[in-house]
Amino acid sequence: GQNIDQPTEMTATEGAIVQINCTYQTSGFNGLFWYQQHAGEAPTFLSYNVLDGLEEKGRFSSFLSRSKGYSYLLLKELQMKDSASYLCAVRLPGGSYIPTFGRGTSLIVHP
Amino acid sequence: DVKVTQSSRYLVKRTGEKVFLECVQDMDHENMFWYRQDPGLGLRLIYFSYDVKMKEKGDIPEGYSVSREKKERFSLILESASTNQTSMYLCASSDREDTQYFGPGTRLTVL
Repeated sequence: GQNIDQPTEMTATEGAIVQINCTYQTSGFNGLFWYQQHAGEAPTFLSYNVLDGLEEKGRFSSFLSRSKGYSYLLLKELQMKDSASYLCAVRLPGGSYIPTFGRGTSLIVHP
Repeated sequence: DVKVTQSSRYLVKRTGEKVFLECVQDMDHENMFWYRQDPGLGLRLIYFSYDVKMKEKGDIPEGYSVSREKKERFSLILESASTNQTSMYLCASSDREDTQYFGPGTRLTVL
């Protein structure tokens, strides 16, 4: 089976930096997504990594190491509105292109 | 902007009722998906469709069926609702191997 692990919950302080890790053991790899989901709302796309390295997009960055089966999402200058769940999803090779989701990390940002 | 809409945000049904959840996307996407999301379990794929009248089972299809008569519309059907189907249901669409776009979700309660 496919295994995608994320911490269940993290807390951080407004203005700080937080790193949310995701490790995966899957039968193949064809890209990794990060989504943000506020309570009661739909997940929204944050980033997609298919090659090793760091991709930066404003306050958010995502890193991938395929050899280690590891990714992280880095959030800088945290704001209260960053309190949300962060979902890691791995896409497997094959024709369906469907990602498999981890259980998500609930991030709580406090003043 | 891609828009995925779902017929209801909140729905309360009784055990044994037939339930229809409707999803419509406006970007001519080929792929459409139904997930359920439960605390601690993350997003789990129920069914997906990669073309009109085509459907494939996901990870947890038992107790559900789907219908895709038109490209923009994907319906999830609970033939006889049970209490263990109380959940948040999320619809998503994507264009081939691109990012998934999610609807706002339907919170279904089965009494």
